Amino acid sequence: GAGVSQSPRYKVAKRGQDVALRCDPISGHVSLFWYQQALGQGPEFLTYFQNEAQLDKSGLPSDRFFAERPEGSVSTLKIQRTQQEDSAVYLCASSLVITSRPDQPQHFGDGTRLSIL
Amino acid sequence: ELKVEQNPLFLSMQEGKNYTIYCNYSTTSDRLYWYRQDPGKSLESLFVLLSNGAVKQEGRLMASLDTKARLSTLHITAAVHDLSATYFCAVDASNDMRFGAGTRLTVKP
Repeated sequence: GAGVSQSPRYKVAKRGQDVALRCDPISGHVSLFWYQQALGQGPEFLTYFQNEAQLDKSGLPSDRFFAERPEGSVSTLKIQRTQQEDSAVYLCASSLVITSRPDQPQHFGDGTRLSIL
Repeated sequence: ELKVEQNPLFLSMQEGKNYTIYCNYSTTSDRLYWYRQDPGKSLESLFVLLSNGAVKQEGRLMASLDTKARLSTLHITAAVHDLSATYFCAVDASNDMRFGAGTRLTVKP
């Protein structure tokens, strides 16, 4: 079956522009996560959704970052007035929530590599 | 604040040798994950560990969890070149996921 799909794979934007990154989770996956991964680093948690509810946005680095998942499936991460330090790979992950099977892993997409010039 | 520390950060091994990667974390956790990442690729789930004393094995990799010591290990047995990748541990505390910095493993012939 299809995995987590992210688009675009690569995005180049000029400083100050707004960008929107899309994530299509695996069908039926309730939980959706966004991460930021800088070169040579581990992923940094940004935000978490359960269905359409954004339950944790504590990792969003500033109010320029905004995420939504209005219908509980596709999610969009928007970055306004981009800055050079926003350059990174943005990863999306989804997972099932099964009370009797708490060992469900997160399934990651291939990421969007964002470069701010 | 939940912190996750991995060591070593870089590991160069000879084929056929054994080694262990360590993952320490700072607070009580619901789950601990091990992931593999190849250059330019996304993360592939290796293991999910839930409880104290949990041990899981897949091929040449074995992961264990000691919740009292807040320590997980990833043991590599008789390394082969195909295992060259970056390995991350990640700790889940109520859906607040924190990753370690990763261990970049290179297996040499």
